[in-house]
Amino acid sequence: KNQVEQSPQSLIILEGKNCTLQCNYTVSPFSNLRWYKQDTGRGPVSLTIMTFSENTKSNGRYTATLDADTKQSSLHITASQLSDSASYICVVSSVRDDKIIFGKGTRLHILP
Amino acid sequence: DAGITQSPRHKVTETGTPVTLRCHQTENHRYMYWYRQDPGHGLRLIHYSYGVKDTDKGEVSDGYSVSRSKTEDFLLTLESATSSQTSVYFCAIRADRAPGELFFGEGSRLTVL
Repeated sequence: KNQVEQSPQSLIILEGKNCTLQCNYTVSPFSNLRWYKQDTGRGPVSLTIMTFSENTKSNGRYTATLDADTKQSSLHITASQLSDSASYICVVSSVRDDKIIFGKGTRLHILP
Repeated sequence: DAGITQSPRHKVTETGTPVTLRCHQTENHRYMYWYRQDPGHGLRLIHYSYGVKDTDKGEVSDGYSVSRSKTEDFLLTLESATSSQTSVYFCAIRADRAPGELFFGEGSRLTVL
């Protein structure tokens, strides 16, 4: 069964600290993996999209990694800011039948 | 800005009434999606469309219907709203060119009393 599991469910860190969010998936055959940021009351916005051949991709203070062998991805946030408080959603696409599978997200709270 | 708008953004209605949510895109993409988002469930696919008059069901399609008579508009209809359909509804479009980035609307918050 195609699944995307994210951990932790929620995370609280102090402003300026780094953090890493995890995504494990069982989707096969794999097409691509995306990380989205969703601010409260807004739609999800794409941070990164990674295909099979990519193992690291950065977008400012956000760095995503992908290990296609172990089917794991992480999103690392450097020097967190209050504006990073949001939900982060991992989304994996399957080549077969074009399915898009969503994780339930990690809720990140940044404290001043 | 991905050129996707949803309307209405907020709606309160009563059980048993019909409700239609509209998704409009200016990008001319083939694929459009309707999701609902509820606490503890994440985003769940209701219906999607892969072209004008071409639609298919998602994992939570019961009680919902869709129509796509023009490339730019994808309508979601609740024929007879129930309290279990209280949710936030998101429309998304998928870029035609690989790897097919998803762009979401701002959401429509529906409350069924």
